Amino acid sequence: AQTVTQSQPEMSVQEAETVTLSCTYDTSESNYYLFWYKQPPSRQMILVIRQEAYKQQNATENRFSVNFQKAAKSFSLKISDSQLGDTAMYFCAFSESSNFGNEKLTFGTGTRLTIIP
Amino acid sequence: NAGVMQNPRHLVRRRGQEARLRCSPMKGHSHVYWYRQLPEEGLKFMVYLQKENIIDESGMPKERFSAEFPKEGPSILRIQQVVRGDSAAYFCASSPYAGTVAGNGYTFGSGTRLTVV
Repeated sequence: AQTVTQSQPEMSVQEAETVTLSCTYDTSESNYYLFWYKQPPSRQMILVIRQEAYKQQNATENRFSVNFQKAAKSFSLKISDSQLGDTAMYFCAFSESSNFGNEKLTFGTGTRLTIIP
Repeated sequence: NAGVMQNPRHLVRRRGQEARLRCSPMKGHSHVYWYRQLPEEGLKFMVYLQKENIIDESGMPKERFSAEFPKEGPSILRIQQVVRGDSAAYFCASSPYAGTVAGNGYTFGSGTRLTVV
């Protein structure tokens, strides 16, 4: 069974600074997908960024980028120029790529990120 | 496009009552996933349904919980004889695909917070 571990329950950073959230996972699959989701106080789950394991290039989306280390099974999220609106819970998630169409996600326990004005 | 609609947003039930949670997927989406989020935890997969079929219910508790996705109408997660431990946020996500591009089009609703008193 796949597991996802987020070892930082809480983090805080000054506005405009850069912050990195850690995530490790365990799987025996060779191909899979990794995700970072943001959950603000509204409770809505918002996809931040997605990485396909067979792609060596790290995914980027504007101020968000990942450091994907497949051999180490590590998938960290870097937020540059942090903004107050980035304050939220952040969840790392995993999905198998060949599960007969089943896209169920395995989530970590989350990191509560606070951006300080 | 109204997105994935979940209702009610908040639901309070007394111990022993039944809870019915509804999820209307996005237009054109025929795949629905239900997740449960206990306080201060990540989301945990419960069940994956396609129209009129349960595909994967490996995360569903063996008793009191059931789910359906009829040909017409929303998907329903039903919890019979609720207990305090059922208090959680319940999310559904819908997808138009059967795993062809994981995460692409996968959209979460805003969740139903169930409180059992």
